[in-house]
Amino acid sequence: QVHLVQSAGEVKKPGASVRVSCKASGDTFSTYGITWVRQAPGQGLKWLGWISNYNGLTNYAQNLQDRLTLTTDTTTNTAYMELKNLTSDDTAVYYCARDPSFRPPSKNWFDPWGQGTLVTVSS
Amino acid sequence: EIVLTQSPDFQSVTPREKIIITCRASHFIANNLHWYQQRPGQSPKLLIRFSSQSMSGVPSRFSGSGSGTDFNLTINSLEAEDAATYYCHQSSGLPQTFGQGTKVEIK
Repeated sequence: QVHLVQSAGEVKKPGASVRVSCKASGDTFSTYGITWVRQAPGQGLKWLGWISNYNGLTNYAQNLQDRLTLTTDTTTNTAYMELKNLTSDDTAVYYCARDPSFRPPSKNWFDPWGQGTLVTVSS
Repeated sequence: EIVLTQSPDFQSVTPREKIIITCRASHFIANNLHWYQQRPGQSPKLLIRFSSQSMSGVPSRFSGSGSGTDFNLTINSLEAEDAATYYCHQSSGLPQTFGQGTKVEIK
């Protein structure tokens, strides 16, 4: 049973970068991938991208691929999401979730989800 | 991009009532459609995968059906704890997308 714990919320200024971590426990890390999803205040869910914990291959949402970097550290079973050049439109709760796919493209469901990390972008 | 359109956007129901939430895809997605429940202040929780496969621990009053472009999530005999927003999600094509959500209120 996989359990995901995310880093604490952050407040950033426009133009800055943010890095959110997602530490996994409970199953062999390399046998699945991690998907990242965000939810702006009062809004729905948006898929950001996926990374394989097996080989580090990634898929990104096209509108973010210039600013978004997903990585994993198999020594600590931790996935990371870095988003650069933040604007107020990036204010959202960011979720990581286990994705059973470890080879691209992911065609799978997401379960479980981390508790979410609120990233606030404000001057 | 595959667009998922849910209906209704909002529904207010009484306990023990039945509700059907529909999700229509803009393109054929076979059975690559999943349903999540998000209670206020919580992370989404997977209820149904691949259109009709219930997840372990999910109450039997939740069921899913459909294939191709039209899908349903049925909740029989609603309980107070079912107050939440429900999202469909397609994994057939990139980018993966979600429906806009259906908020269910219990009267």
